Amino acid sequence: LAKTTQPISMDSYEGQEVNITCSHNNIATNDYITWYQQFPSQGPRFIIQGYKTKVTNEVASLFIPADRKSSTLSLPRVSLSDTAVYYCLVGDMGYGGSQGNLIFGKGTKLSVKP
Amino acid sequence: GAVVSQHPSRVICKSGTSVKIECRSLDFQATTMFWYRQFPKQSLMLMATSNEGSKATYEQGVEKDKFLINHASLTLSTLTVTSAHPEDSSFYICSAPDRGGAVSQYFGPGTRLTVL
Repeated sequence: LAKTTQPISMDSYEGQEVNITCSHNNIATNDYITWYQQFPSQGPRFIIQGYKTKVTNEVASLFIPADRKSSTLSLPRVSLSDTAVYYCLVGDMGYGGSQGNLIFGKGTKLSVKP
Repeated sequence: GAVVSQHPSRVICKSGTSVKIECRSLDFQATTMFWYRQFPKQSLMLMATSNEGSKATYEQGVEKDKFLINHASLTLSTLTVTSAHPEDSSFYICSAPDRGGAVSQYFGPGTRLTVL
C-alpha cells in the first residue's frame, strides 16, 4: 500500500502557477497516480491521472519523474475558485478496500488570494 | 463525465433513530460502490465497499451492524446508520469506480448527517 505525503497547506495569488508535490516512495509497478479536488461540503472531483512522464488536460498538468517516487500537480494561472483541498492517491486497478487508490491522505489545502 | 447522486443532501435526526442515505449512479452501472465518512477538517475515511449481489466489505474498525449497506441494484447502494448517536454526525460520501476499474472514482455530492 503506497503511502502518500503532501504539504498540509499552500498559499498563492490569483494568476500564479501552483505546483503541489506528492511523495510516494513505495509506489508499486502497477500503481497509477490520481489527483482529486475537494471544496467544502462537496464530494471530491477527479482532476487528473497519470502513470509516468507528463499528462496534461484542460485544467492541470501532472509531472511524474522516471523513478515515480513523487508527482507534481501543476495548476496554471490559479483563480480564487481554485481554493480547495487537493488529494493525491496512488494505487492500481482494484476494488479491494485496502487499495491505495481508495485511501485518502491529509491532502493539501490551497488558498488563493486576490 | 459520469454522475453519482446522493439523497438526502442533509439530514437532522434525533439520537437513537435510523437514517438511510441513497447513492445512485445516474448514467452508468456500478457493481461496486464505496462509502466514505469525513469529519470536519479531516480527510475522507473509507468505511466500506458495497457489492451488488453480495455482502459489503467493511474496513477495520467500522461496525457492520451499525452501518448497514445494501446494494439493491446496479445503480443504487444505500447506507443506513442505525441507532444514530451524536458521534455519528459527519459528512458521508459515496463513490463509484470508473468503468476501467477503481483507479479513479466518481464521487457523490455528500450527505451531511447531524444527530441531535
